[in-house]
Amino acid sequence: QSALTQPASVSGSLGQSISISCTGTSSDIGSYNFVSWYQQHPGKAPKLMIYEDSKRPSGVFNRFFGSKSGNTASLTISGLQAEDEADYYCCSYAGSGIWVFGGGTTLTVL
Amino acid sequence: EVRLVESGGGLVQPGGSLRLSCAASGFTFSGYSMTWVRQAPGKGLEWISYISSTSSPIHYADSVEGRFTISRDNVRNSLYVQMNSLREEDTAVYYCVRESAYGFDYWGQGALVTVSS
Repeated sequence: QSALTQPASVSGSLGQSISISCTGTSSDIGSYNFVSWYQQHPGKAPKLMIYEDSKRPSGVFNRFFGSKSGNTASLTISGLQAEDEADYYCCSYAGSGIWVFGGGTTLTVL
Repeated sequence: EVRLVESGGGLVQPGGSLRLSCAASGFTFSGYSMTWVRQAPGKGLEWISYISSTSSPIHYADSVEGRFTISRDNVRNSLYVQMNSLREEDTAVYYCVRESAYGFDYWGQGALVTVSS
């Protein structure tokens, strides 16, 4: 049950686009279409942003885009806004009822 | 409105026990699987346990297997986790989370558990 690998931090300017990678293995990301992404502001509970690799729950802006290739998933945020500044976590099903999270990425909007 | 409210957190000595509860409202609790996720201070999220809508199957992360027990009461609309043999590394905010076809779609506000002598 090893954590997925995310960059510790990314940054981008207002209006720009950024991507956050999430690398797993053939036992988790590579085996299932169950990657999800969560946004967490300081002192708040996480919020679901993407599920099943690339689907957006209702109410999540279409500036958030999820994708996956092989054992790596990515979250792309376009048209960066100040309120996007937060921690982002990826999560994947790993089989046998087990889920694994990434270590988290802090997004700074410049 | 979906609400998940955790309770039961607090300070406990290493080796001690604590039971967290989560009161669910605003949805048909008996129709959903539930999960506990924790977050150590300044650290990332860690999935620790899952229980299906019918209480079987149940799954645990290796880090808590044998020490934590998840359970639910579909009449009381409540989720529980009994935590035994607590260690300092179990210090974290514990979130009660609803699992749906859309992922972990609703989270409680969290309950802080501090394991320290």
